[in-house]
Amino acid sequence: GQNIDQPTEMTATEGAIVQINCTYQTSGFNGLFWYQQHAGEAPTFLSYNVLDGLEEKGRFSSFLSRSKGYSYLLLKELQMKDSASYLCAVEDSNYQLIWGAGTKLIIKP
Amino acid sequence: TAGITQAPTSQILAAGRSMTLRCTQDMRHNAMYWYRQDLGLGLRLIHYSNTAGTTGKGEVPDGYSVSRANTDDFPLTLASAVPSQTSVYFCASSVTRGQGNEQFFGPGTRLTVL
Repeated sequence: GQNIDQPTEMTATEGAIVQINCTYQTSGFNGLFWYQQHAGEAPTFLSYNVLDGLEEKGRFSSFLSRSKGYSYLLLKELQMKDSASYLCAVEDSNYQLIWGAGTKLIIKP
Repeated sequence: TAGITQAPTSQILAAGRSMTLRCTQDMRHNAMYWYRQDLGLGLRLIHYSNTAGTTGKGEVPDGYSVSRANTDDFPLTLASAVPSQTSVYFCASSVTRGQGNEQFFGPGTRLTVL
């Protein structure tokens, strides 16, 4: 079966750094996405990785290791507005997105 | 630019009744999707459409039907609602299906079936 695993909840302090991990087992791999979802709102795109390595985009970076079936999202200089759920999704060989349940990130002052 | 709109925002529906959730995009995207989101679970694909005139089944299609008469609209119909269809429904679109194209989501419809 296909499976995406992420921690259910994480807590971090404003101004700090947090790493959200995602491991996956899917039927084929055509890339991995990270989305942000604030409570009661729609998911919005953060990043896409298809090759191994680190992709940096401002305060957010995303890493992929295809051989390990592993990705992480790194958030630096945390702000209160970063409190949200972070969704990991893998595009499988049928071009379908398989979604993790999401990691709820709580930022404390 | 509106992006993707969904209607209604929320709805309470009696079991056994039918309902159509509306979704419209103005980005001229070829691919459109319907997902449901339930607490503790990832987004699950109900149906998708690669282009106007075509539709396909996702992971959880039973009890739902879709149509894609044109590029902009992708309505989702529940023929006879059951309480297990209580969920938040998101419509999404992308330039094409797959190939790393990001999906853009509508604001969602919160449906309660009693």
